[in-house]
Amino acid sequence: DTEVTQTPKHLVMGMTNKKSLKCEQHMGHRAMYWYKQKAKKPPELMFVYSYEKLSINESVPSRFSPECPNSSLLNLHLHALQPEDSALYLCASSQATNEKLFFGSGTQLSVL
Amino acid sequence: AQSVTQLDSQVPVFEEAPVELRCNYSSSVSVYLFWYVQYPNQGLQLLLKYLSGSTLVKGINGFEAEFNKSQTSFHLRKPSVHISDTAEYFCAVRPYSSASKIIFGSGTRLSIRP
Repeated sequence: DTEVTQTPKHLVMGMTNKKSLKCEQHMGHRAMYWYKQKAKKPPELMFVYSYEKLSINESVPSRFSPECPNSSLLNLHLHALQPEDSALYLCASSQATNEKLFFGSGTQLSVL
Repeated sequence: AQSVTQLDSQVPVFEEAPVELRCNYSSSVSVYLFWYVQYPNQGLQLLLKYLSGSTLVKGINGFEAEFNKSQTSFHLRKPSVHISDTAEYFCAVRPYSSASKIIFGSGTRLSIRP
């Protein structure tokens, strides 16, 4: 299994909603990442987990809350988002933080 | 600090024609170099990478890239493109010293005309 699986593929939420994005990999990778990608822009790093511990937070607002329950799963909890948070959210994993990234297909998020 | 410049936001090419997507980078430290491809409604996929050694790197789907240190370039080439190559292509660098911080260019949209 060489895939990174993200659910849901699409999500529409209001500014008062609470939702979660999920990411799963079974490649034994110990580093997992969240990226945000706006249309026609490159991905922007949000968070990095290494061995299930948060190692990088790129000054992301607290309305985004990452969680790594185990080595295969990565969640992104969303609360009180703004319309400008609408974007494609990509999860990625790698064997180690200096190895190539494997990306999921992303969750297209729309905040109304 | 590092930066990556992809001068062409869009490159239209006829099918079976050659293509070159340009990438220049700026860095005060040594970097690894990558090309990623993003097909519509998909995540990014690694095409090829340069870590060290031969400056000509061959990747998947018939793509290759050449690292030119003096010109700080890492241009991507394919001798004959196919309709299925239509995608967004991102050049990226990662400093030797910072394992996680991959810096992406702004991307080049490759559109193939029949």
